[in-house]
Amino acid sequence: QMQLHQSGPGLVKPSETLSLTCTVSGGSISTTSYYWGWIRQPPGKGLEWIGNIYYRGTTYYNPSLNSRVTISVDTSKNQFSLKLSSVTAADTAVYYCASLSGYYYVYHFDSWGQGTLVTVSS
Amino acid sequence: DIQMTQSPSSLSASVGDRVKITCRASLSISSYLNWYQQKPGKAPKVLIYAASSLQSGVPSRFSGSGSGTDFTLTISSLQPEDFATYYCQQSHSTPGGLTFGGGTKVEMK
Repeated sequence: QMQLHQSGPGLVKPSETLSLTCTVSGGSISTTSYYWGWIRQPPGKGLEWIGNIYYRGTTYYNPSLNSRVTISVDTSKNQFSLKLSSVTAADTAVYYCASLSGYYYVYHFDSWGQGTLVTVSS
Repeated sequence: DIQMTQSPSSLSASVGDRVKITCRASLSISSYLNWYQQKPGKAPKVLIYAASSLQSGVPSRFSGSGSGTDFTLTISSLQPEDFATYYCQQSHSTPGGLTFGGGTKVEMK
């Protein structure tokens, strides 16, 4: 099973860009049966899917965040990254990276990063 | 987007109780439904995938059923370590358009 480790700042100023990186170990990010995703959870609330990326660079985003989100992959470093622009206090949340594994439509998030609390505040 | 509605949003139960949590999809998702358990301060952990398949290492007291729009997670005999929040998630839209239910918090009575 893959291990995922997140890195990035825990404090971002309003209107700036949130940036997080997820490093994959225990396997290759170029595995064909995997997608790589970001999920967030505002304090005391539920889970919200942000987006996924395939190792070849194809991306899929939550329509509610689509205009502000960019997910990218660096196969040479076995990493994928999240950028969320023009953040506001509403973007304060714990952000998780996760591996989405499976086949056809039988996919589930089977490994998760440790989570990063990102607070948007001046 | 497919909306996922869980009920109840919270419940109180005792050790040994049989607990059922339901999840309804806004349109048919066949059996493309996963269940996760989340404990405070921790990342979610998958329990059930494809509606009824038990993830490796998960105790057999957890089971899932349903297809189409209505799904159920059952804990046959609640254990102390099962007090947590449970989420359903549809994978019918994979790899995009994934959605989670709002969560069900299982608390000690």
